[in-house]
Amino acid sequence: KNQVEQSPQSLIILEGKNCTLQCNYTVSPFSNLRWYKQDTGRGPVSLTIMTFSENTKSNGRYTATLDADTKQSSLHITASQLSDSASYICVVTLTLTSGTYKYIFGTGTRLKVLA
Amino acid sequence: NAGVTQTPKFRILKIGQSMTLQCTQDMNHNYMYWYRQDPGMGLKLIYYSVGAGITDKGEVPNGYNVSRSTTEDFPLRLELAAPSQTSVYFCASSYSNWASGANNEQFFGPGTRLTVL
Repeated sequence: KNQVEQSPQSLIILEGKNCTLQCNYTVSPFSNLRWYKQDTGRGPVSLTIMTFSENTKSNGRYTATLDADTKQSSLHITASQLSDSASYICVVTLTLTSGTYKYIFGTGTRLKVLA
Repeated sequence: NAGVTQTPKFRILKIGQSMTLQCTQDMNHNYMYWYRQDPGMGLKLIYYSVGAGITDKGEVPNGYNVSRSTTEDFPLRLELAAPSQTSVYFCASSYSNWASGANNEQFFGPGTRLTVL
């Protein structure tokens, strides 16, 4: 079954600290993997996207890594800020035999950064 | 550019009522999508459209209808509201097939929170 699992479900850290969020997937065949940030009451906003041939992608203080062999991705946040408090969603694209695509969304990790 | 806008922001419906969730984008995107997000669950694709006049079902289309008469607008219709349709609904758009390419970004609206009692 094609699934995307994220851990932890929630995380609380102090401002300035680093953290790493995990995404494990069983999606196959894999097309690409995206990380989104979703602020409370808002729509998701893209942070990074990686194809199977990419190992890492950065966007400011956000760095995503991908291991296509183990089907794992991580999102590392450096020097966290209060504005990083949000849900982080991992999305994996499945390539269907019809040539179309299906998007498998993870349930997200809710991050809270405290002053 | 306003991006993707959705109205209303909030709505409470009674069982059996109908309503239309509005979605408009001003980025001249061909692709538009409707998702629902339930608490503790990942987003689920309801319907999508690859251009004006063309729509297709997503993962959870039952109980919904869509139309795409213009490039800008992609309304979602609930004909007979049921409590199971209580959710947050997100509209999104992309220039081309969001899933197919690394550079095809999908932009989301702010969402509509719907409660059916």
